[in-house]
Amino acid sequence: KAGVTQTPRYLIKTRGQQVTLSCSPISGHRSVSWYQQTPGQGLQFLFEYFSETQRNKGNFPGRFSGRQFSNSRSEMNVSTLELGDSALYLCASSLVRGPGNTIYFGEGSWLTVV
Amino acid sequence: AQKITQTQPGMFVQEKEAVTLDCTYDTSDPSYGLFWYKQPSSGEMIFLIYQGSYDQQNATEGRYSLNFQKARKSANLVISASQLGDSAMYFCAMREAVGNFNKFYFGSGTKLNVKP
Repeated sequence: KAGVTQTPRYLIKTRGQQVTLSCSPISGHRSVSWYQQTPGQGLQFLFEYFSETQRNKGNFPGRFSGRQFSNSRSEMNVSTLELGDSALYLCASSLVRGPGNTIYFGEGSWLTVV
Repeated sequence: AQKITQTQPGMFVQEKEAVTLDCTYDTSDPSYGLFWYKQPSSGEMIFLIYQGSYDQQNATEGRYSLNFQKARKSANLVISASQLGDSAMYFCAMREAVGNFNKFYFGSGTKLNVKP
């Protein structure tokens, strides 16, 4: 059974550009969440999608957005990139929502903004 | 207050010995889940073990066990017979329901180094 797949794995962007990251959850998983990981701030929750609707959002500016498609695949977009957006972006999926549900992560997308 | 606290930024353990990574949590929700993840330098977060707040027994998964002490709000990870491949960052996490939604909280992590 394939795990969570994130693309691209590595990318370099210039300040001011925008970037789109993609996440394919484990087959059958309908909940997808995104996290940003930096050495200084650790792991921070970005947003969670379930049934194509954003159900929860972390404390990030509006430049960070996302969406989920009917097949549960999700994308996140960062516009007007800043140097501080350089981070590992992790996507996670779970079967159903609920505090007892295990979430599984992808390998992440390493974004460098120069 | 911090939802998840990991007080050990770094730990060393000798190969084949056991090691305990500490984690305390803070919640007023009676229903919650506790997780441990391993993150090698490649970046992927690998699920290790899960403990539900209503589970009576400590969770175990192979060499991993979770020492769940509910009254103390502690969920320590015990790795038995450490291997060199266990060297990685380890994150404790908690998932709780907030209204109709869920929120996931991570600790700051513990970097484990296994010495040969």
